[in-house]
Amino acid sequence: GQQLNQSPQSMFIQEGEDVSMNCTSSSIFNTWLWYKQDPGEGPVLLIALYKAGELTSNGRLTAQFGITRKDSFLNISASIPSDVGIYFCAGPRDTGNQFYFGTGTSLTVIP
Amino acid sequence: DTGVSQDPRHKITKRGQNVTFRCDPISEHNRLYWYRQTLGQGPEFLTYFQNEAQLEKSRLLSDRFSAERPKGSFSTLEIQRTEQGDSAMYLCAQDTGELFFGEGSRLTVL
Repeated sequence: GQQLNQSPQSMFIQEGEDVSMNCTSSSIFNTWLWYKQDPGEGPVLLIALYKAGELTSNGRLTAQFGITRKDSFLNISASIPSDVGIYFCAGPRDTGNQFYFGTGTSLTVIP
Repeated sequence: DTGVSQDPRHKITKRGQNVTFRCDPISEHNRLYWYRQTLGQGPEFLTYFQNEAQLEKSRLLSDRFSAERPKGSFSTLEIQRTEQGDSAMYLCAQDTGELFFGEGSRLTVL
């Protein structure tokens, strides 16, 4: 089953607004990955985080690895229509090699 | 384009038939994962290979499922005697330090 909780489950925003979503776990993770998935396609990696407290940007996207190693945040600034999709967090637990995925945040951008 | 190729992209089959999916990763010598994703859910781990060795299998992988990675290159996932509950997107991913997915193979069992 799912190991990671994402919130919010869905978001409807106006184009140009900033977006923030987060992911929490009851277990410690040693890596956090953020993906975007379009309908009918595989997830595409957006940002990878490897160190507690790390803040990493990729264009309009910024993600942070929580200090407790049990959470991560993804922010999207100045949203545009092509940001529409489902965003997943993922990572391997500290004790294993298996990557777990969150339940996803569905983003809708209204032009 | 991650370079991870999956075939076929779509498969429609009747219940009870066998299906096979193929994954061609970027590199021969890294970890390769299979995931299953149903509508509205995140990907769920099925199994992974280190080279040709299958090192871990999920409880989701019933005895009707079998995966292989001969010679540590491409991998196949076979589902025997398909059931309607097997309808899902089957995703292959390669771990090169980060997990890169293919485009997926969508299975519909009628």
